[in-house]
Amino acid sequence: DTGVSQDPRHKITKRGQNVTFRCDPISEHNRLYWYRQTLGQGPEFLTYFQNEAQLEKSRLLSDRFSAERPKGSFSTLEIQRTEQGDSAMYLCASSFQGARNQPQHFGDGTRLSIL
Amino acid sequence: TQLLEQSPQFLSIQEGENLTVYCNSSSVFSSLQWYRQEPGEGPVLLVTVVTGGEVKKLKRLTFQFGDARKDSSLHITAAQPGDTGLYLCAGAPLYGQNFVFGPGTRLSVLP
Repeated sequence: DTGVSQDPRHKITKRGQNVTFRCDPISEHNRLYWYRQTLGQGPEFLTYFQNEAQLEKSRLLSDRFSAERPKGSFSTLEIQRTEQGDSAMYLCASSFQGARNQPQHFGDGTRLSIL
Repeated sequence: TQLLEQSPQFLSIQEGENLTVYCNSSSVFSSLQWYRQEPGEGPVLLVTVVTGGEVKKLKRLTFQFGDARKDSSLHITAAQPGDTGLYLCAGAPLYGQNFVFGPGTRLSVLP
């Protein structure tokens, strides 16, 4: 069990640029979640996948944000035309949906800074 | 919308002291998780509580789920500097899969 892996750990970019983050979940986990966390706050839900299907998206996820999980394994989160308000920690979590109340396991996040 | 509140928001104590932090909601959750997060890292799962009234112990940490499954508490005995971090609670809703997080309690244990 290598845990949830996220890449890159840090990303600095200019406003207006596009960025893409990658998440590799724990291998046997079929659910994958994306969250955004700003300083002093708890994680805010963005979207989640069960296998390759994106089943829920938050209203926080504007049309500049898109997430994919094409083969039901790793996932990518892309932000187009970045804005300064997008600066945050983007966290990925995975869980196994085989029984109720399975907890989520988090990666160490990608910290995005928009200049 | 299901919301979780945590109190206190900040807590600074001396090594060896005891403390309790709280997680409250007006909504019922099917389960509740507690996480600890250190700067620059993702949240690390401490415990999951499922049954109303359930008490779980993890070394010096004691977690309790309220009878009505709307609230939870975390008690730390003889706090150590290594306990410093952001303590987050997260509730799993009765319906749907969208976990709800509280804003966290930031604990600082001074040597």
